[in-house]
Amino acid sequence: QVQLVESGGGLVKPGGSLRLSCAASGFTFSDHYMSWVRQAPGKGLEWVGYISNTGNTIYYADSVKARFTISRDNAESSLHLQMKSLRAEDTAVYYCARVWRSGWPLDSWGPGTLVTVSS
Amino acid sequence: QSVLTQPPSASGTPGQRVTFSCSGSSSNIGGNTVNWYQQLPGTAPKLLIYANNQRPSGVPDRFSGSKSGTSASLAISGLQSEDEADYYCAAWDDSLHGVLFGGGTKLTVL
Repeated sequence: QVQLVESGGGLVKPGGSLRLSCAASGFTFSDHYMSWVRQAPGKGLEWVGYISNTGNTIYYADSVKARFTISRDNAESSLHLQMKSLRAEDTAVYYCARVWRSGWPLDSWGPGTLVTVSS
Repeated sequence: QSVLTQPPSASGTPGQRVTFSCSGSSSNIGGNTVNWYQQLPGTAPKLLIYANNQRPSGVPDRFSGSKSGTSASLAISGLQSEDEADYYCAAWDDSLHGVLFGGGTKLTVL
């Protein structure tokens, strides 16, 4: 079955960097767009960005543009989120999710990894 | 502040039918399909409804979705205690070139 597992979260100081990874299994990773979604403590869901199945197209939410970089390794079935210049408001659980089909339904989600930005 | 507007809370008793609204604009709901997610406490979101009114395999037919113009709604019939969760609508936004989520509606089963 489809499985997504994030890793790399932790405590980082404001202005610092962190790299999240998402290991995918149970499906043909290179067939699917992938997305990152985050959720601040006690808040709603916020889309972070997506990457096309080939990696040629990447889009970001304005809140993370120029600070976050999404990449993928289809050979390793892995998705990555490089975060820099982190701010307190980036504190959240970060989920990777599979884009199932047209219309952008995110049909499979990882359990999430918590990123805390604090001094 | 979410561009897709959802009421923050809703409640119902077991067996009742409850509905959730999601209001957007022509750049999102008005021109694209709506998806709904259920998030049980302490867990990752789960796709509940896609393409306005389609249920993924395994989702009970107690859950249904609809869309009209720039608004969408989710209905749960035969409410059960395990339906207590947060419910989010989402749609692609052509102006932002990204996915928009609503602020979520917290359902309490009394």
